[in-house]
Amino acid sequence: GNSVTQMEGPVTLSEEAFLTINCTYTATGYPSLFWYVQYPGEGLQLLLKATKADDKGSNKGFEATYRKETTSFHLEKGSVQVSDSAVYFCALLRGGYNKLIFGAGTRLAVHP
Amino acid sequence: EAGVTQFPSHSVIEKGQTVTLRCDPISGHDNLYWYRRVMGKEIKFLLHFVKESKQDESGMPNNRFLAERTGGTYSTLKVQPAELEDSGVYFCASSQESRGYEQYFGPGTRLTVT
Repeated sequence: GNSVTQMEGPVTLSEEAFLTINCTYTATGYPSLFWYVQYPGEGLQLLLKATKADDKGSNKGFEATYRKETTSFHLEKGSVQVSDSAVYFCALLRGGYNKLIFGAGTRLAVHP
Repeated sequence: EAGVTQFPSHSVIEKGQTVTLRCDPISGHDNLYWYRRVMGKEIKFLLHFVKESKQDESGMPNNRFLAERTGGTYSTLKVQPAELEDSGVYFCASSQESRGYEQYFGPGTRLTVT
């Protein structure tokens, strides 16, 4: 079946550290891949997306590259800030379907 | 433009009681989705409306859950009777088109069944 696996959290970093949150997926066909972020007290927001292999999604200093050969979509940021503290969800959307399939989420805590 | 809103933000009920969650999508969005996150696990799809019609309800856990979207505007999700395992965060999302268009999420309703 279709599924998304994320690294377990929490991830605790100091400000300006490098961030990687791993995400791998299993899907039939050619899904679109997403990273959503949930800041404290807020709803899910789309952070970035990639719709085909080798695409790189980027936003707010975050990047993720759609790797078909390793079925991965790892989230990276070169220098995190305290304001990046949130829960990050990796998700996929199969072509022709409407329901997002999410990973379990990874909580990131950034300390000054 | 107002975002997706959900009410209430938090509900605490006893096992066996009834709870109704409400979602107001972004104005003009025909597609409305319900998702649920239970106990820090993955967010799971419950169902999808296109206007007032249920397009896909494959994720609804059982017949204690009833979703409606009268008039194709706001939606309600009723749980009757609630069980302990229904506790979690219920998210609503809406989109203007289907098939890969961005889904905009609300803040969620945290349901606690005791």
